[in-house]
Amino acid sequence: NAGVMQNPRHLVRRRGQEARLRCSPMKGHSHVYWYRQLPEEGLKFMVYLQKENIIDESGMPKERFSAEFPKEGPSILRIQQVVRGDSAAYFCASSPPGSPSTDTQYFGPGTRLTVL
Amino acid sequence: SQQGEEDPQALSIQEGENATMNCSYKTSINNLQWYRQNSGRGLVHLILIRSNEREKHSGRLRVTLDTSKKSSSLLITASRAADTASYFCATVRMDSSYKLIFGSGTRLLVRP
Repeated sequence: NAGVMQNPRHLVRRRGQEARLRCSPMKGHSHVYWYRQLPEEGLKFMVYLQKENIIDESGMPKERFSAEFPKEGPSILRIQQVVRGDSAAYFCASSPPGSPSTDTQYFGPGTRLTVL
Repeated sequence: SQQGEEDPQALSIQEGENATMNCSYKTSINNLQWYRQNSGRGLVHLILIRSNEREKHSGRLRVTLDTSKKSSSLLITASRAADTASYFCATVRMDSSYKLIFGSGTRLLVRP
């Protein structure tokens, strides 16, 4: 059973470009979470999605950031008009159906975004 | 408010010694989890302890939880060089049910 897959693993963008980060949850998992990690810091929650629904986006910056988890295909975290401060590692996690509070979240390897 | 603050921030020990890391938090929690992150890699889930549990073991890992003091500790016994990594505690608050709130981590170095 493959774990959480994220791609690309490394992404370099120039200021003003768009960044698209993809996450495929573990097989059978229907909850997806995105977290951001700045250097030397812990992870910060961004958004929680179920298929075709955004459940909680309280950790997402108000502008330029969006996330989706379509019926088919991976979850996408999209950052428009990137700025240097967006440089970070972005981690996706997934958990199985049911009450999410009782379940471990399984993390992917992350996408390291560098904005030049 | 920030949850899950670990201490120490950095810990250097000799192989074979025990390593103890502590985590404090501020609000009532549903559960507390410990993760390991090797440099430049993703997170590996180590152990989950629920608010009604006081201690859990997994191999060389021992986790305690004291809800009255709002603190947890992670003990790694008989450490190995391969245990070198950053260790994070993460809490799930009672009013959240899913949002993991991470501390800034303890960077453990195990010298061979």
